[in-house]
Amino acid sequence: GAVVSQHPSRVICKSGTSVKIECRSLDFQATTMFWYRQFPKKSLMLMATSNEGSKATYEQGVEKDKFLINHASLTLSTLTVTSAHPEDSSFYICSAALTAYNEQFFGPGTRLTVL
Amino acid sequence: GESVGLHLPTLSVQEGDNSIINCAYSNSASDYFIWYKQESGKGPQFIIDIRSNMDKRQGQRVTVLLNKTVKHLSLQIAATQPGDSAVYFCAENRLGGKLIFGQGTELSVKP
Repeated sequence: GAVVSQHPSRVICKSGTSVKIECRSLDFQATTMFWYRQFPKKSLMLMATSNEGSKATYEQGVEKDKFLINHASLTLSTLTVTSAHPEDSSFYICSAALTAYNEQFFGPGTRLTVL
Repeated sequence: GESVGLHLPTLSVQEGDNSIINCAYSNSASDYFIWYKQESGKGPQFIIDIRSNMDKRQGQRVTVLLNKTVKHLSLQIAATQPGDSAVYFCAENRLGGKLIFGQGTELSVKP
């Protein structure tokens, strides 16, 4: 299958700082990328859907000003957690798809810890 | 609200036995389901999918069964191996490619 990478794999930051997570599709052009959040021993919760060149569509309850998503190219989407707080600590996973109607390929995830 | 949920959070099987992981869904209009495997600290990995016009689909050592009458699907893993130990999620693929994940079942394989 296609390869999706995330960077960094782990990040620890202080409360109040912002953290940027990158999601890259390495061997295909992804028109659509998705961002998920996963708490320990829990399921994946979709946060937002981003289409290249458009504004992201956020799920209900997800603050778009706190979780900034940029999908400026067909191989890169970024999630910025602004003014991070300890409750933002989680495992963030992205997926990429050729289009919204094609199979999603998942990245390896980014573990965010906010102190 | 609508949800995709699993019956059991954990499942322990002996190596070589068959495993059955269950999933219930509530939206009768759902027509496309996917099973994923997630190993610790990694992203989900596609296992097998099934559309509502089918009731069974087989892959390598895995079979997915779909019962639309009771809104239930299951993943069967034949001859379970230690490498199968992971969390398994069913997911409903909705309009626009949105994936709604079930709660997950943690499969442990005893040697």
